[in-house]
Amino acid sequence: DTGVSQDPRHKITKRGQNVTFRCDPISEHNRLYWYRQTLGQGPEFLTYFQNEAQLEKSRLLSDRFSAERPKGSFSTLEIQRTEQGDSAMYLCASSSRPASGPYNEQFFGPGTRLTVL
Amino acid sequence: GNSVTQMEGPVTLSEEAFLTINCTYTATGYPSLFWYVQYPGEGLQLLLKATKADDKGSNKGFEATYRKETTSFHLEKGSVQVSDSAVYFCALSNYNFNKFYFGSGTKLNVKP
Repeated sequence: DTGVSQDPRHKITKRGQNVTFRCDPISEHNRLYWYRQTLGQGPEFLTYFQNEAQLEKSRLLSDRFSAERPKGSFSTLEIQRTEQGDSAMYLCASSSRPASGPYNEQFFGPGTRLTVL
Repeated sequence: GNSVTQMEGPVTLSEEAFLTINCTYTATGYPSLFWYVQYPGEGLQLLLKATKADDKGSNKGFEATYRKETTSFHLEKGSVQVSDSAVYFCALSNYNFNKFYFGSGTKLNVKP
């Protein structure tokens, strides 16, 4: 088990450009989450998937943001027409449901740090 | 709504000192509570958790007790080490575990 991986780890872009991040969850984890973390703050929920279905989106996820998980495995988060306010760490997490009991802890990846110039 | 408030840092302690990081929460229903730790340059790692009132989570010498009457989940450790230097996040999840709410984090610096 290699854990949750994210690519790239760092991204610098110019305002107005589009960027896409990838997250590979722990294999067989059917839930995948995206969070955004700004400096000095805790992670804020953006959206989550159960298998390939996107079940909830935060109001933080403006129309410029879109996330997909087409085959229920890896996920991508795209930001169109980036703004300086989009600069943050974007975290991905995954979780699974044990044989008995509810879903439990989320396992986090190392994050993608986005800097918009 | 759901929210978590934790004490501001940084907290600076000498090695072997006693640690308390306060965390209080506001929640609807019956949340589960968590402490995550983030070491420099690494992702968040689960430190401990408690899923119902009066449960005590513990790991690596850290403890926290789910207090429903005071809506608190304070993190404690009897004797900190330099290697405990990190940022600690208190978090809660709703009943369906489909969303976590995090506090703003408390940075701990332990000096030898």
